Amino acid sequence: SQTIHQWPATLVQPVGSPLSLECTVEGTSNPNLYWYRQAAGRGLQLLFYSVGIGQISSEVPQNLSASRPQDRQFILSSKKLLLSDSGFYLCAWRGRGLQETQYFGPGTRLLVL
Amino acid sequence: QKEVEQNSGPLSVPEGAIASLNCTYSDRVSQSFFWYRQYSGKSPELIMSIYSNGDKEDGRFTAQLNKASQYVSLLIRDSQPSDSATYLCAVNRGGFQKLVFGTGTRLLVSP
Repeated sequence: SQTIHQWPATLVQPVGSPLSLECTVEGTSNPNLYWYRQAAGRGLQLLFYSVGIGQISSEVPQNLSASRPQDRQFILSSKKLLLSDSGFYLCAWRGRGLQETQYFGPGTRLLVL
Repeated sequence: QKEVEQNSGPLSVPEGAIASLNCTYSDRVSQSFFWYRQYSGKSPELIMSIYSNGDKEDGRFTAQLNKASQYVSLLIRDSQPSDSATYLCAVNRGGFQKLVFGTGTRLLVSP
């Protein structure tokens, strides 16, 4: 069966510090991968998605970046965090077909102080 | 107009009642529809998927799809306090690799 992992689970970082969040998927190959952010009490905001190694599509302009160095690994990064980067970061994977379901990881809660 | 619209709620129902959650979408070429449940502080989990017009039942949950009206609903029978959560509607448009999510409806089931 497929599983998706995210780490760390929680993170407290000072403003201006770098960020690296990692997501890995097991039990599937060539998945579509997604990074979402959810601010407190708000909806899901799609940040990036990837349909293959090295292929990244950005949905919103921001100081975050994403990379996909391996088929089942997706990384979210920032060189300098802003207060507004605080939130709940969710990684998700989905198969290739139109009817494929999307599954979410457990999430990383980030607080920027 | 938002691509996927949901009433933010909260929708309050007593234990044992039927909860009805609604979602409308704007793009007629949408082909796949999903309902997720999200407990506070947790990640969304899939409840139901539906692809054809009509009803699809799974235990206490029934998803209803009407493509002509661009309307998807989720019925929860015999609502339990443990059903209290935010319910997210998601839509996949044909040929696109990403789901579009509504902002969610908060459901409160009182004992």
